[in-house]
Formats: sequence, C-alpha cells, structure tokens
Amino acid sequence: GAGVSQSPSNKVTEKGKDVELRCDPISGHTALYWYRQSLGQGLEFLIYFQGNSAPDKSGLPSDRFSAERTGGSVSTLTIQRTQQEDSAVYLCASSLYGGELFFGEGSRLTVL
Amino acid sequence: GQQLNQSPQSMFIQEGEDVSMNCTSSSIFNTWLWYKQDPGEGPVLLIALYKAGELTSNGRLTAQFGITRKDSFLNISASIPSDVGIYFCAGSGGSNYKLTFGKGTLLTVNP
Repeated sequence: GAGVSQSPSNKVTEKGKDVELRCDPISGHTALYWYRQSLGQGLEFLIYFQGNSAPDKSGLPSDRFSAERTGGSVSTLTIQRTQQEDSAVYLCASSLYGGELFFGEGSRLTVL
Repeated sequence: GQQLNQSPQSMFIQEGEDVSMNCTSSSIFNTWLWYKQDPGEGPVLLIALYKAGELTSNGRLTAQFGITRKDSFLNISASIPSDVGIYFCAGSGGSNYKLTFGKGTLLTVNP
C-alpha cells in the first residue's frame, strides 16, 4: 500500500496474555520505528530498525517487550505477559532516512 | 536524555484567529519537525526544518528553526475548523536518528 499499515487497529486482551502487533512500512523505506502513545502524552520511542544493522532497543520499557523485522520489511512488536500499564496506542513509522517519519494509524491496546 | 518542552498544552480559539505554539529543548537539535495528529490517526508531518534560522511555510502554516538550535515555533494563520487536533514538535540532534517528541498542543477552533 501507499502508507504505513498497522494491525490490529484495536486489541483488547486480559492481563497476563501475550500480544503481537504488526507493521507493514512504506515500500522502499529502510528505517522502521515503534513508538508508544499513552493518553494525553507525547510519543515515547521504543525501538528503531535501520537496514541490516542491529536494532536500537534502548526505548523498550522492559524485557517483556521485543520486536523483530523480517526481510527488512514487516515488523512485529510482541508484548509478553501484558500488564494494565501497557495499555496505549502503539505507533509504527518508517522513513527513507532519519527525520521525516511517516506514521501508521496505530494499534490501540487495552489490557483488562 | 533530550527533553522537549512544548507550549501551550492546549488552545481554544475562534475561527479566523492566528495561532502560535513553540518548543524548547534542553540540548541542540539538528532537525525540527512539526506533526499534526487527528483523533484515531497517526501523526502527519507538516513541516521539516534542517537549518538554524530556517523559516519555512506550508500554506497557512509557518515554522522556524531557532537560531540557538534549541527552539522552534509553529504559526497557523487564519485558523479554520479543520485545524483542530494535536500538534507535536519533534527534534533530533547530531547523528541521533531518534526523534524526541513534545507532549503536544491540543488546538480547538470554535466556528
């Protein structure tokens, strides 16, 4: 597609369950980012992939969070043993080079 | 780490009025970006600034990269109802590719 595609758009899960969020970046974009947006807050950086380089995971809040990017394209963000404080909108973005990020519509996660 | 202070947190204005919002950082940035987010959507890039002192316009929007490289402002002239949304500033410094975002300015335009 023309833009960044994220799925699911909404996910409701029970505390303790694992969730997977998917991001399909703009074709040709080598950089892929995950951000988290809590209600009324700015965007919190989680992880960054650039080409074949090792990802920058410095923003992941705990070891329950992990992300992969297969074939330099699609990325999956996995949250294990979800907690209520994980409830947020998870935004994926891609870019040709650092700076001008193009965002998807986000995946809204609700942990009950 | 880098911190961005964005102000004001919210604005409630009448249609036709001009709007100004700004961001300041605790460290020097090489890039300043302004995004707008509508409800239920991801942020959309409005203006990108790459040079200290740069002044760039996009329709009714004008943004400037502060000469100190620690601040930026966004002006919206003759506001219209579709300008409502959350406006975010974002910046990155040096070879840092990670954008740091402000907490946003919620703009409400009263028709």
